[in-house]
Amino acid sequence: TQTVSQSDAHVTVFEGDSVELRCNYSYGGSIYLSWYIQHHGHGLQFLLKYYSGNPVVQGVNGFEAEFSKSDSSFHLRKASVHWSDSAVYFCAVSAYGSSGNKLIFGIGTLLSVKP
Amino acid sequence: AQTIHQWPVAEIKAVGSPLSLGCTIKGKSSPNLYWYWQATGGTLQQLFYSITVGQVESVVQLNLSASRPKDDQFILSTEKLLLSHSGFYLCAWGQGASDYTFGSGTRLLVI
Repeated sequence: TQTVSQSDAHVTVFEGDSVELRCNYSYGGSIYLSWYIQHHGHGLQFLLKYYSGNPVVQGVNGFEAEFSKSDSSFHLRKASVHWSDSAVYFCAVSAYGSSGNKLIFGIGTLLSVKP
Repeated sequence: AQTIHQWPVAEIKAVGSPLSLGCTIKGKSSPNLYWYWQATGGTLQQLFYSITVGQVESVVQLNLSASRPKDDQFILSTEKLLLSHSGFYLCAWGQGASDYTFGSGTRLLVI
């Protein structure tokens, strides 16, 4: 059974600050890890994903995430945030199983960027 | 380019009334389709998925049903709404096990 844990429900930073949103997962097999962003009242937008290869993956709008097998983590980072980055960020894990694909989301982290 | 369209954008319905939400995907043949539900301020719960026309698998039981009458269409419905059905419903398509594309969602309020 795959699980996803996002330990921070709410993170507040100032514009221009760096930020790291944490994600930890548990699963014994091969999985895909991804991050999605949801602006208030809207659907989800895909940011980035990891399956294999370089553990640091680049996404849209300056976001990147780093996979760590030893820590079972896939933290999302941005070097300098903008007010428009304020949104809820969801970490997700997926694995293809006999019952079809299943994308499991964490509870989300609300990022508030103050001017 | 693939597009995903959900309708309606929002609904206010009475407890016990029927519901039908729609999702259409254009520009992609035989997509894997998914319905997700999100309680206000909560995470996303996968409800149904469909790999092909006429085939739908249920992931959780919430007194809802889904159907896939056409390759590009996915319908979520119930004959009797409950208060607990309120929330945000998202349709998505995905190929493989990652990077799903979500629709803009339908916001449902049951009163």
